[in-house]
Amino acid sequence: DVKVTQSSRYLVKRTGEKVFLECVQDMDHENMFWYRQDPGLGLRLIYFSYDVKMKEKGDIPEGYSVSREKKERFSLILESASTNQTSMYLCASSLLQTGGRGYTFGSGTRLTVV
Amino acid sequence: KQEVTQIPAALSVPEGENLVLNCSFTDSAIYNLQWFRQDPGKGLTSLLLIQSSQREQTSGRLNASLDKSSGRSTLYIAASQPGDSATYLCAVCIGTASKLTFGTGTRLQVTL
Repeated sequence: DVKVTQSSRYLVKRTGEKVFLECVQDMDHENMFWYRQDPGLGLRLIYFSYDVKMKEKGDIPEGYSVSREKKERFSLILESASTNQTSMYLCASSLLQTGGRGYTFGSGTRLTVV
Repeated sequence: KQEVTQIPAALSVPEGENLVLNCSFTDSAIYNLQWFRQDPGKGLTSLLLIQSSQREQTSGRLNASLDKSSGRSTLYIAASQPGDSATYLCAVCIGTASKLTFGTGTRLQVTL
């Protein structure tokens, strides 16, 4: 069964900490995405990547960066965590041309910044 | 900018009823549209994907339709069951960028 795996289900971090959220997919997908989900705001795209070492800003990139050194792994980095980054973070992947396959999402990481 | 709206925001139906969830989008130049299911505190599970050239897709008790020209999609659930209780999200993909724009979802509760 194909999978997108997010390394942590729950995280609690302190304000100002550098936070790494990891995502790994085993489907050889070119595209990978990071979204955050907040009540009333839905899912919003933070960053995405078409290929290794390629990245593009999404709708809300401020305060975040990403790293994609290998095709299967896409990391989201909070350079200096703040309380307004408390959220559910969802990673997804897809083929470069989605065809009939669509997107596959991970189970999410619920991050709390205190 | 593409905007996706889902109506109703919440819906409660008794078990066995057929129901329709609605999704509308403002820019008809979409690449595809996908319906997802999300259980509380969990990730998203893909239900159906409709390419822009298609009119509908079916999977078991689920049927999704797409009318690109009017900017609408519906998800039809037949003979609803308590296990169908979840939030249903639609998302549209624009062009080759493969980015998804999501609606805010419809929270469905199917009661016994």
